[in-house]
Amino acid sequence: DARVTQTPRHKVTEMGQEVTMRCQPILGHNTVFWYRQTMMQGLELLAYFRNRAPLDDSGMPKDRFSAEMPDATLATLKIQPSEPRDSAVYFCASGITGVGYTFGSGTRLTVV
Amino acid sequence: GENVEQHPSTLSVQEGDSAVIKCTYSDSASNYFPWYKQELGKGPQLIIDIRSNVGEKKDQRIAVTLNKTAKHFSLHITETQPEDSAVYFCAELSNDYKLSFGAGTTVTVRA
Repeated sequence: DARVTQTPRHKVTEMGQEVTMRCQPILGHNTVFWYRQTMMQGLELLAYFRNRAPLDDSGMPKDRFSAEMPDATLATLKIQPSEPRDSAVYFCASGITGVGYTFGSGTRLTVV
Repeated sequence: GENVEQHPSTLSVQEGDSAVIKCTYSDSASNYFPWYKQELGKGPQLIIDIRSNVGEKKDQRIAVTLNKTAKHFSLHITETQPEDSAVYFCAELSNDYKLSFGAGTTVTVRA
């Protein structure tokens, strides 16, 4: 089965450090989302791309978060500088508009 | 999921009984409504979806209904089993391709 691959699976970092999370969407999918989830809470949309173009990143703290899609096989979410309140699970999902969206296994980030 | 309201937040059912989760949305242009199941430590998994030109869809023990006029859709799980215990999320895809989620329902199936 095709899958969305997220790396790393776990990341522990010190406050103030830069964190980069990566996502490899399923080949052929034209839409990529980044979500944040805390303590099995809801899925907070951070940013999304369609055909690699950013459509909306209003869910992200602009001063410290950035999301990019340098090519069709890679999406990145960067936090600089990281803060303890950023501790959460970050999910990437990819899909074809209106057909279905597949989630990755997530990156569990802990900022100490 | 500020655009999608989901109820109830928790649901406990006896094994074999049915479970129903309801969601309402505000964007009348939304045209795709998926449901996801999330187990502890895993990413959400798509279990069923429905498009705006369909009123009902069924897949074995799960079914989804959509009322476009009232702007609400529901997930129905029949003959619940312990493995149905999980968090369930509804979602809507709006006209600007944004996929927004409800707050989730924690379902517990009692043996």
